[in-house]
Amino acid sequence: DIQMTQSPSAMSASVGDRVTITCRASQGISNFLAWFQQKPGKAPKRLIYAVSSLQSGVPSRFSGSGSGTEFTLTISSLQPEDFATYYCLQHNSYPRTFGQGTKVEIK
Amino acid sequence: QVQLQESGPGLVKPSGTLSLTCVVSGGSISSSYWWTWVRQPPGKGLEWIGEIYHSGSTNYNPSLKSRVTISVDKSKNHFSLKLTSVTAADTALFFCARADLAVTAPEYWGQGTLVTVSS
Repeated sequence: DIQMTQSPSAMSASVGDRVTITCRASQGISNFLAWFQQKPGKAPKRLIYAVSSLQSGVPSRFSGSGSGTEFTLTISSLQPEDFATYYCLQHNSYPRTFGQGTKVEIK
Repeated sequence: QVQLQESGPGLVKPSGTLSLTCVVSGGSISSSYWWTWVRQPPGKGLEWIGEIYHSGSTNYNPSLKSRVTISVDKSKNHFSLKLTSVTAADTALFFCARADLAVTAPEYWGQGTLVTVSS
């Protein structure tokens, strides 16, 4: 299985902050990397797919980058509605594997 | 707009079988998508369980493969999950989802259903 390691696992940030979350794959996954946002008790919401493609309807403050084994999700200016847990997902090979999640909390 | 809705018993006894159904509305289950199950134990992360194509082709997580079956019922426009020999470790929020063939990261998700394994 491909292991996806996210960092940090949790962070505190303020409204307006620039936030960066990293996901490292245990082997190359080409561009088969997506990012999801999840709020408590709700289904995950796809934000980014194919490393850097923004899902329709998702604010442009969200962006993704990276290649090979290291990928980044950036929120350029954190908004109150962005406090949530974020997961990366590799869908290059089976089984699909998620990162362990990054919880973004209010500072 | 496609919608997915999970249903099934919220409580299953240890050693029993967990059975869930995901009804698809606003689209046909015979369309070219992977129909997917994901679970999330309370307070923990997401785990991909497996997926099925309308032809019946499946892919499963090896960690669950001996216990899991995903099937599709085109006449009812739904797909199902069966997980046998459950233990408390299988207690989770179960999501069904849809992933297209080009971008196989699920885009549409059901709201999730909590299944507790307890006697």
